[in-house]
Amino acid sequence: DAGVIQSPRHEVTEMGQEVTLRCKPISGHNSLFWYRQTMMRGLELLIYFNNNVPIDDSGMPEDRFSAKMPNASFSTLKIQPSEPRDSAVYFCASSSASGDEQFFGPGTRLTVL
Amino acid sequence: GESVGLHLPTLSVQEGDNSIINCAYSNSASDYFIWYKQESGKGPQFIIDIRSNMDKRQGQRVTVLLNKTVKHLSLQIAATQPGDSAVYFCAENRERGNEKLTFGTGTRLTIIP
Repeated sequence: DAGVIQSPRHEVTEMGQEVTLRCKPISGHNSLFWYRQTMMRGLELLIYFNNNVPIDDSGMPEDRFSAKMPNASFSTLKIQPSEPRDSAVYFCASSSASGDEQFFGPGTRLTVL
Repeated sequence: GESVGLHLPTLSVQEGDNSIINCAYSNSASDYFIWYKQESGKGPQFIIDIRSNMDKRQGQRVTVLLNKTVKHLSLQIAATQPGDSAVYFCAENRERGNEKLTFGTGTRLTIIP
C-alpha cells in the first residue's frame, strides 16, 4: 500500500499567489483530514471529510482557505490569496472508519514569501 | 526579533532504559485517546490508542495508561532504542460522533546511545 500521497512535498510562493495542495488518501478509506502544523500553534485540524462530504470545517482559518473532495481518491486544499503567515507544513490523513486510526501523509511544506 | 513558539518539553533517556511521556487532557467527555510519533521531516505515525472504558493497553514495547480521575495519559516505552528518538503527541477525540482529534503540544524524546 502506498499510504497517503501528498503533492507537492515543498512549495515556495510569493504573497498573493494561489496555492493548491493535493492529497490522495489510502484506497478504501472514507474519511480524509487536512491538518496544519506550525511552531506557534502545533498540529491543528483544518477540515475533515467523510464519504467526500465536509463534516467539520471549524478549523479553517478564514475565507482564503477552501477544501474540496470531488471523489473518494482525491482532495485539494487551496489558499487564495496566500500570506506569509500561511507558511507551515500541511498534512493530509485518512482513516477507514469512524474511530479508527488516522494515517498521515508525508506533508507539504509551504513557504509564502 | 525572537519568535515565540510552543514550548516543547524534552526528555532524554539512555538507550535501553524505559521512558515515560505524560500528557494532560482537559475534556472529561473525551472518550478516545491516541499516541502518535513524529520523526523529523515525516508525518505523525500511530503508536497506540485507548478508549475511555479502559485504563491500560499494551503494545509491542509500549504501554498507554489512562487516568480519567485526573485526566492524565501516559506512554511508556520499554527498552528504548535510538529509533525511538522523535516527538510524541497525545491526541484526544472530544466529541462522540465527530472524528476530530485535538493534539497536544508534543514531547521531544532523545535516546542517548
